Amino acid sequence: GNSVTQMEGPVTLSEEAFLTINCTYTATGYPSLFWYVQYPGEGLQLLLKATKADDKGSNKGFEATYRKETTSFHLEKGSVQVSDSAVYFCARKNSGNTPLVFGKGTRLSVIA
Amino acid sequence: GAVVSQHPSWVICKSGTSVKIECRSLDFQATTMFWYRQFPKQSLMLMATSNEGSKATYEQGVEKDKFLINHASLTLSTLTVTSAHPEDSSFYICSARTFAGGLDEQYFGPGTRLTVT
Repeated sequence: GNSVTQMEGPVTLSEEAFLTINCTYTATGYPSLFWYVQYPGEGLQLLLKATKADDKGSNKGFEATYRKETTSFHLEKGSVQVSDSAVYFCARKNSGNTPLVFGKGTRLSVIA
Repeated sequence: GAVVSQHPSWVICKSGTSVKIECRSLDFQATTMFWYRQFPKQSLMLMATSNEGSKATYEQGVEKDKFLINHASLTLSTLTVTSAHPEDSSFYICSARTFAGGLDEQYFGPGTRLTVT
């Protein structure tokens, strides 16, 4: 089936630390891959996406590369800030009128 | 940018009553809207897919008679939780899909927290 697995949190980092949140997906079809972020008290926002193998999505210093060989889409940021504290969701979507399928989310807390 | 609103943002109701949640796409038309449910510290679980002018498609295990979905227009979908019980307490999130500008994007509302006492 279509599923997404991401590392469990919570993840606590000091400001300016390097961030990696792992995400893998089942290799069914040729999905587009996404990272969404949910800040406290707010709705989900699209952070970045990649639609085909080897594509790299990037936004606000975050990056993720679509790796077909490892069925992964790990999220990275070189230097996190306190304002990055949020819950991050990895998601996949098959082509056509199909919904997003989300991972369980990873809560990130960045401390000063 | 595209904005999706939900109303109310939170609601408390008594067991046995019904609650209606509205989802609106404010500046675009959405032929498809999705309803998700999010449990504490859990992921979003897709409940149903709603297409304008047709019946909603429910995911396995979701009671269609309990969670009534109406997609009356291209900018409004409603979810009614009928005869609510405490186990229905959750965070409900809607999402609207648009193909404007040749893109295929899905935008999320801020969610509605339902507490059933």
